[in-house]
Amino acid sequence: QQQVKQSPQSLIVQKGGISIINCAYENTAFDYFPWYQQFPGKGPALLIAIRPDVSEKKEGRFTISFNKSAKQFSLHIMDSQPGDSATYFCAASSGSYGGSQGNLIFGKGTKLSVKP
Amino acid sequence: DARVTQTPRHKVTEMGQEVTMRCQPILGHNTVFWYRQTMMQGLELLAYFRNRAPLDDSGMPKDRFSAEMPDATLATLKIQPSEPRDSAVYFCASGLTSTGGKYFGPGTRLTVT
Repeated sequence: QQQVKQSPQSLIVQKGGISIINCAYENTAFDYFPWYQQFPGKGPALLIAIRPDVSEKKEGRFTISFNKSAKQFSLHIMDSQPGDSATYFCAASSGSYGGSQGNLIFGKGTKLSVKP
Repeated sequence: DARVTQTPRHKVTEMGQEVTMRCQPILGHNTVFWYRQTMMQGLELLAYFRNRAPLDDSGMPKDRFSAEMPDATLATLKIQPSEPRDSAVYFCASGLTSTGGKYFGPGTRLTVT
């Protein structure tokens, strides 16, 4: 019940296309859903995050869509660029609303390659 | 530009040796996490501190791993004795309980031969 399932494992997209990565969870106590971006040899970097009281959050070319009833959330990268090529991790945690004090449970990651 | 720092960045050691990894969290952050990343297991939590108090170390092999926060600016992860299966990248992350965001350091790549 603590798992976060992420798909696909790898994704190839043409420059300018839309990249979509999906995650699903079981634990309804999760209240914070971030996405992290990791380049080779670097630590994961917080990209964008959402809480379950909203269905969508957009920051620049990155959008999280959240479906509470389906217990699913996804990352959309619009106008994908070669510089977006990285591994993306979804995660979830639980804690008191307004702040997540808990441990992040990570998905297994999606390796995105954007072809020029 | 505040960031989490970790030392050393790379460590190669022989089986049986002691390994100590250090982390300086972002100033003012009150939570610190140690994660281990491997190809097979992905990112796994080893230990979690809030206001320097250990809250969860259930992911850590207790017989060989220990984690401490001697003060608010330093977190340590120690492996004694190290084994080849400990080879991984170890990340420290810090955050604030009020915001939820956790910020990762660059990691320590450990190789145990």
